[in-house]
Amino acid sequence: KAGVTQTPRYLIKTRGQQVTLSCSPISGHRSVSWYQQTPGQGLQFLFEYFSETQRNKGNFPGRFSGRQFSNSRSEMNVSTLELGDSALYLCASSLDVAVLNTEAFFGQGTRLTVV
Amino acid sequence: AQSVAQPEDQVNVAEGNPLTVKCTYSVSGNPYLFWYVQYPNRGLQFLLKYITGDNLVKGSYGFEAEFNKSQTSFHLKKPSALVSDSALYFCAVRDMNSNYQLIWGAGTKLIIKP
Repeated sequence: KAGVTQTPRYLIKTRGQQVTLSCSPISGHRSVSWYQQTPGQGLQFLFEYFSETQRNKGNFPGRFSGRQFSNSRSEMNVSTLELGDSALYLCASSLDVAVLNTEAFFGQGTRLTVV
Repeated sequence: AQSVAQPEDQVNVAEGNPLTVKCTYSVSGNPYLFWYVQYPNRGLQFLLKYITGDNLVKGSYGFEAEFNKSQTSFHLKKPSALVSDSALYFCAVRDMNSNYQLIWGAGTKLIIKP
């Protein structure tokens, strides 16, 4: 069974540009969550999608957005990049976060560097 | 408010010695608790979870965790540490007040010295 796939693994962008990151969840998983990880802030929740609907959102500015497709693949977009957006972006998939005893499976992340 | 605390930023253990990584939580209702491990430049890997039942939960790579309801703790343990256990460890709990999202601890860096 294939794991969670995130592309690309590494990305370098310039301030002001926009970026799109992709996440393919484990087959059969309908919930996809996105996190930002930085050394100073730890794991910060961005948003969660379930069946193409954003079900929950963290405290990030509107520059951060996402979507989920009918095959459960998800993308997140960051517009007008700032230096502080440099981070490891992690995607996690699960059957459904509302199934409380189910664990999340993480991709290897996309390392975004903004210069 | 629901929360998770990992009181130690870093834990140093000699190879072969037992290790403990601490986690305490604050939730309303029954807790659903998880431990994950992260190796450098990698995503998080699931280690184990507590849902209900036996307070001692066994997981991957020889790790186990002890759930203590009275102390609201869920400490990760291993009887004999390996150098390869060196990594970043995260504790998490389900937030029943926020669409069941996971609330994460800040992480504990575990260093195993040969």
